[in-house]
Amino acid sequence: KAGVTQTPRYLIKTRGQQVTLSCSPISGHRSVSWYQQTPGQGLQFLFEYFSETQRNKGNFPGRFSGRQFSNSRSEMNVSTLELGDSALYLCASSSQGVGTEAFFGQGTRLTVV
Amino acid sequence: GQQVMQIPQYQHVQEGEDFTTYCNSSTTLSNIQWYKQRPGGHPVFLIQLVKSGEVKKQKRLTFQFGEAKKNSSLHITATQTTDVGTYFCAAYSGGSNYKLTFGKGTLLTVNP
Repeated sequence: KAGVTQTPRYLIKTRGQQVTLSCSPISGHRSVSWYQQTPGQGLQFLFEYFSETQRNKGNFPGRFSGRQFSNSRSEMNVSTLELGDSALYLCASSSQGVGTEAFFGQGTRLTVV
Repeated sequence: GQQVMQIPQYQHVQEGEDFTTYCNSSTTLSNIQWYKQRPGGHPVFLIQLVKSGEVKKQKRLTFQFGEAKKNSSLHITATQTTDVGTYFCAAYSGGSNYKLTFGKGTLLTVNP
């Protein structure tokens, strides 16, 4: 079956702009988690959605938001981009939710200039 | 909040040598997962440990979960060049804490 699909794979944005990233989980998976990966901070949890409900949010400013649709696809939005937002954004899907085997997408590489 | 420390940050070995990475949590865990990320790739699930003192093996990889469910280790016997990558532990506290807390990872390089 198809894996986790993230689009786009690469993005270059200017400071102050906003961006929306998309994640399509494995069919049947209801949980989608988002992570920011940087060389200095590693993998940091952004938020988790399960059946369209956000169940937890990491320590990120309100500029980072997300949502999940009824088909389990999820989007993540970052407004008023800052240089420090440059990172690899990964989403992970799981059938039973956080704490069970997670399948990661290839990620979206965001560069803010 | 929960903290997860993983050491060492880097490990360079000669092919055939063993490798171990350690993970310690500040809180008792419901379970711990291990992932491998190849250079330029994405994390790939290796295993999940749930029980106190649990030991699981996958070919040359041995995973352990501490008796207090606060620490874990991954040991690779006789490393190969295909083992190159960053190994992450991911801690789950359970309950209504719906998040995985990742260690910063151990980057393993193998000299052939």
